[in-house]
Amino acid sequence: GAVVSQHPSWVICKSGTSVKIECRSLDFQATTMFWYRQFPKQSLMLMATSNEGSKATYEQGVEKDKFLINHASLTLSTLTVTSAHPEDSSFYICSARDNGRNQETQYFGPGTRLLVL
Amino acid sequence: DAKTTQPTSMDCAEGRAANLPCNHSTISGNEYVYWYRQIHSQGPQYIIHGLKNNETNEMASLIITEDRKSSTLILPHATLRDTAVYYCIPSNSNSGYALNFGKGTSLLVTP
Repeated sequence: GAVVSQHPSWVICKSGTSVKIECRSLDFQATTMFWYRQFPKQSLMLMATSNEGSKATYEQGVEKDKFLINHASLTLSTLTVTSAHPEDSSFYICSARDNGRNQETQYFGPGTRLLVL
Repeated sequence: DAKTTQPTSMDCAEGRAANLPCNHSTISGNEYVYWYRQIHSQGPQYIIHGLKNNETNEMASLIITEDRKSSTLILPHATLRDTAVYYCIPSNSNSGYALNFGKGTSLLVTP
C-alpha cells in the first residue's frame, strides 16, 4: 500500500520550454501533496505544499510563477516548470499524505530527473 | 522546526544491528519524529515514526528517550540493501507535516 508514482521518470528539454511532471497517489487519497527538489550531493529541499482544490503554498525563494502547481483531484498533483533553464536541472520528488489511517505520514514518489540543455 | 544532529556516516557489518542516533533537543511537544531513508537516486522511503512511545514495525524499531531530546533507529539485522542515507526529521501539524530534510547519516553496510 501507499504507492506514489511520478511521470515522467526523466526528461530532457531545451532551454525556454515548459515541462510538466505528474504525481499520483495510486492506492490512497491525498488532500495534501508536497514537491521537493534535490541537487547533486545535496539533501531534499521543500519547494511547495499542494492542497487539493486550493492554491499551493510556496517556500521562501521558490518562484510561484515559474513552478506552477495544480492539485485538481485527490490523487493527482502536477508541477510545471515554465521557461526552464539549465539551472532548473534537478531531481524533482513529490510526496503525498494519506487521508486515511496514517494522516501524519507522507509517502514519496520515485522522482523525476530533469535536464535542461 | 526543531534542529537535528546526526552522525555524518556510519558503518555496519551485514547481519548485525545498525543503531542510528539522532539528537533533536529542541523538539516541541507535539512534533513526531520521522525516519526516512534514501537509496541513491531514488525517492525517500518511509521507515517509521513516533511521538513518545517506542515503535516497531517490519522494517525497524524506534527508541525515543523519555525527555524526547533524542532517538535511535534500530535496523535489527542489516543487509547490503540497507545502505542508504537515513534522515531523522521532527514535524507536526503546524507545518502540515512537511519535512525539513537535514544532511542525514550515510549508512554503509559491508559484507
